[in-house]
Amino acid sequence: NAGVMQNPRHLVRRRGQEARLRCSPMKGHSHVYWYRQLPEEGLKFMVYLQKENIIDESGMPKERFSAEFPKEGPSILRIQQVVRGDSAAYFCASSPEKLLGDGYTFGSGTRLTVV
Amino acid sequence: AQSVTQLDSQVPVFEEAPVELRCNYSSSVSVYLFWYVQYPNQGLQLLLKYLSGSTLVKGINGFEAEFNKSQTSFHLRKPSVHISDTAEYFCAVSLISNDYKLSFGAGTTVTVRA
Repeated sequence: NAGVMQNPRHLVRRRGQEARLRCSPMKGHSHVYWYRQLPEEGLKFMVYLQKENIIDESGMPKERFSAEFPKEGPSILRIQQVVRGDSAAYFCASSPEKLLGDGYTFGSGTRLTVV
Repeated sequence: AQSVTQLDSQVPVFEEAPVELRCNYSSSVSVYLFWYVQYPNQGLQLLLKYLSGSTLVKGINGFEAEFNKSQTSFHLRKPSVHISDTAEYFCAVSLISNDYKLSFGAGTTVTVRA
């Protein structure tokens, strides 16, 4: 049973380009969560999605960032017109239908570098 | 809103020595508590969690943590560390009513030396 798969592992973008980060949840998991880890900081919640629904996007920056989890395929975190401050590790986690405080299963992350 | 403070950013320790990583949280309502470990260039792995019941929680790799409600602490301990325990450790908290949203501390880097 494969874990949470994120790709790419490393992504380099020039300022102004778009970054697309992909997350395939564990088999049987229908809930996906994105977190961002800035250098020297802990992870910060960004967004919680179920299939075709955004449940909580309170941690997403208001501009340039969007997330989706379509009926088929992986969840996508999209960052338009990237800036240097977007450089961070982006982690995806998934859970089964009901979390019940069991904690997440995290992927290995995508490390975005904006040059 | 809840918050987490990890009191030590760096903890150097010799192999086979004990280690304690301190974590304090603030919340006006009941919470779940977690410790995660992150090895270099990897994702986070759950070490242990406190949901309810016994305040002493045992996790993987010989780690344990004690929940102290009066001191709002959840310190992590291991009686004898190995070189392979070198990693970054994160304390996290979630509200019971909103358990999908974890708030993380800034992390403690543990470096184990021979």
